Amino acid sequence: GEEVAQTPKHLVRGEGQKAKLYCAPIKGHSYVFWYQQVLKNEFKFLISFQNENVFDETGMPKERFSAKCLPNSPCSLEIQATKLEDSAVYFCASSQWSSPLHFGNGTRLTVT
Amino acid sequence: QQQVKQSPQSLIVQKGGISIINCAYENTAFDYFPWYQQFPGKGPALLIAIRPDVSEKKEGRFTISFNKSAKQFSLHIMDSQPGDSATYFCAAKPGTYKYIFGTGTRLKVLA
Repeated sequence: GEEVAQTPKHLVRGEGQKAKLYCAPIKGHSYVFWYQQVLKNEFKFLISFQNENVFDETGMPKERFSAKCLPNSPCSLEIQATKLEDSAVYFCASSQWSSPLHFGNGTRLTVT
Repeated sequence: QQQVKQSPQSLIVQKGGISIINCAYENTAFDYFPWYQQFPGKGPALLIAIRPDVSEKKEGRFTISFNKSAKQFSLHIMDSQPGDSATYFCAAKPGTYKYIFGTGTRLKVLA
């Protein structure tokens, strides 16, 4: 498709529950990025993929966060045992090498 | 060294006025400087971008000015319109292809 598609739009989880977010990148884009946007608008980089391979995971809190981009499937970001501080909007973006990032409309995760 | 500092945090401009948002960086490895526009409930959308070998780029009412020696770049929105009211983010990309974002400027254009 011509847009980065993120599902679901909203997700509510009780503290300690699992949350799984999905992202379908633009067709033909080989790079996928996940960013977390918290209330003060700050974008925190989490992880990037080149096709199905992890490209840069320096932003991932590895003890609870994991991500995958498998062939012929949407990419996913999973948070095990969610905490209140995980409440944020999670954005996925895709691009080709040396082309701009194209963002999806985000998934708003609320942890109660 | 990886930060991009953006100012002001918020900006109110009269319709028809010029909106100016500034960003500063430290890392000389940054090689691409985009500006993104974000409306509530939406993802950021690329507005305009510049590379460090150019000092200015203009697209319609939007202009990026780039000062390599001062490590600063700015977005100018000419003839600002109420529809321009949004949050604007500057960003910078180092060679590792991990975009670093500024903290955003909330622009309100009064009708």
